[in-house]
This record gives sequence, structure tokens and C-alpha cells, in this order.
Amino acid sequence: NAGVTQTPKFRVLKTGQSMTLLCAQDMNHEYMYWYRQDPGMGLRLIHYSVGEGTTAKGEVPDGYNVSRLKKQNFLLGLESAAPSQTSVYFCASSFGQDYNEQFFGPGTRLTVL
Amino acid sequence: RKEVEQDPGPFNVPEGATVAFNCTYSNSASQSFFWYRQDCRKEPKLLMSVYSSGNEDGRFTAQLNRASQYISLLIRDSKLSDSATYLCVVNSLLGSGNNRLAFGKGNQVVVIP
Repeated sequence: NAGVTQTPKFRVLKTGQSMTLLCAQDMNHEYMYWYRQDPGMGLRLIHYSVGEGTTAKGEVPDGYNVSRLKKQNFLLGLESAAPSQTSVYFCASSFGQDYNEQFFGPGTRLTVL
Repeated sequence: RKEVEQDPGPFNVPEGATVAFNCTYSNSASQSFFWYRQDCRKEPKLLMSVYSSGNEDGRFTAQLNRASQYISLLIRDSKLSDSATYLCVVNSLLGSGNNRLAFGKGNQVVVIP
């Protein structure tokens, strides 16, 4: 089992460029999440999905879009990148909510110039 | 008041010593509590869940105090490999029947030889 994988691992963008981050999990989990982690701040939830074809907003959704066309994949899109989106992005998945462990991917380090 | 508050430290601990730290949470309705461990530039990983009766896993002990709304983590006989950031995690309501996990900023532990 690969667990949760993320591509790419690193990326540098210029302001205004777009990109898509891919998250894949092979644990048949229903729930998937996208977080961002910034220095001095805890992990903040961007968007999440409770199943294939469903998505919902988290704490900091502005500037991001997501899609969950297949159960195993959760895509995070930046339509027009801004320097404020420079961060480390983590994807996670879990079997359920609340009492279930979230498994994290290795992260994507994004720099927007 | 922030949802989850932690003293970031760092907590410099001599090898073999005991270290303990607390985390406070603001939502009295929270039902799930966890400690995650995050190594430098790595993804968070579940260390242990925190139950009402408290729980112990080897050298690690977690306690929950609902009346005062805090959870604690104690590490005995610290090893160099315990150096990491320990994230306090509490479930929080998103609405529409969904929940999310709220992450603290973490307690940084540095075990010194």
C-alpha cells in the first residue's frame, strides 16, 4: 500500500499562473481533505470531500477549487496563484470522521513569486 | 479564543528526562481528541488518541480534562528520536452534520544528548 501520495512534491509559480495538485489514496477511504500549513500556524482546512462527487468548503477556501471525480483522487486547483498561497499543502484521507485517524500525504511545497 | 492553543516552545529536554505539555480547546462540545507527531519537513502522523479515561502507550501518556478543557501529553525517559513537533488535535463542528479536525500550532520538543 502506498497510502496517500501527492504530486508534485515541489513547485514554483509566478503570480497569476494556475496549477493542480493531485492527491491519491489506495485505502478506499471515503473522506479526503486538503490542508495548508504556514509557519507559526496550525494546519488549516481548505476543502474536504465526504465521498466521490462531493466537495465542501473548509476554513480557508478562497482562491482554491477542488474536484473528487474518483474516490481515490482529490484534486486541488489554484486558478490564479498569489504570493499569499505560498505554503506547504497536505492532503489527508480517513475512513470516517471524528474518531478516525487521518492519514497524510508527504506534502507539496509551493512557492508563488 | 482560538479553537486549540498550544505553547510552541521549544521544550529542550535532556535525554532520559520527562517532559509534559498541555493543550487547551475552546469548544466544550468536542468529542474527539488526538496527539499527532510531525517531524521536520514531514507530514503529521497519529501518535495516539486521547480517551476520557486517559491512555498510555509505552513512554507516552495522554490525559483529558473536560472540566478545564485541556488535554495533556507526557513523555517519559525521553529519547533523541522523540525530537519532533507534537500537534494537539480536536474535532470541531463544520455544520451540515460534518466535522473537521482543528489543529494546534504544536509543541516543539528538542531532546538534548
